Amino acid sequence: QVQLQQSGPGLVRPSQTLSVTCVISGDNISTNVASWNWIRQSPSRGLEWLGRTYYRSKWYYEYAEAVRGRVTINPDTSKNQFSLQLNSVTPEDTAVYYCEAVDYYNGMDVWGQGTTVTVSS
Amino acid sequence: ETVLTQSPGTLSLSPGERATLSCRASQNIGSNYLAWYQQRPGQAPRLLIYGASNRATGIPDRFSGIGSGTDFTLTISRLEPEDFAVYYCQKYGGSYTFGQGTKVEIK
Repeated sequence: QVQLQQSGPGLVRPSQTLSVTCVISGDNISTNVASWNWIRQSPSRGLEWLGRTYYRSKWYYEYAEAVRGRVTINPDTSKNQFSLQLNSVTPEDTAVYYCEAVDYYNGMDVWGQGTTVTVSS
Repeated sequence: ETVLTQSPGTLSLSPGERATLSCRASQNIGSNYLAWYQQRPGQAPRLLIYGASNRATGIPDRFSGIGSGTDFTLTISRLEPEDFAVYYCQKYGGSYTFGQGTKVEIK
């Protein structure tokens, strides 16, 4: 059974970089059916998809328009994990950040436990 | 960007009743790329329906989805106590967006 374990700081200063990591157990990040997403949730913005990476003979990356240019998702096959980096954060980036593994072919999804990130000086 | 509008905002029902939730897209998204998620308080969302009408693994058959184009519906045939939660529709594939959610609360 796939499990995702998130880690990352709870407090980030404005203009700095937010980094959250999601460690995968029970599956291989290089699987050809799953995609690995980052989603955040805040009272003001609701659920917001940030981007995803997936492997289909090579790595692909897709990012939300709202954060494109500030966001990077990196798979790390050696550690079987993937990470989110969001640059130049502002208080509007304060949210709960989730990683998600989803396989729409088989109708399966798994979420990390969520990381509450506050952007404040 | 496709905007998803869910209605109603809140649905007040009793256990055993039928719940009908709506999701309307601002442009045609076909039927393959619409999902429904459930979020209970304090928990992460979980996938209920994908491809507009396919139940995700482990989801009971009281949950059903239908729709195509711009209009989609999630139906819960008989509400169980654990079904009182917030439900989100999501467009996926290419660009991803969530609706604002429908809260199903106990009447």
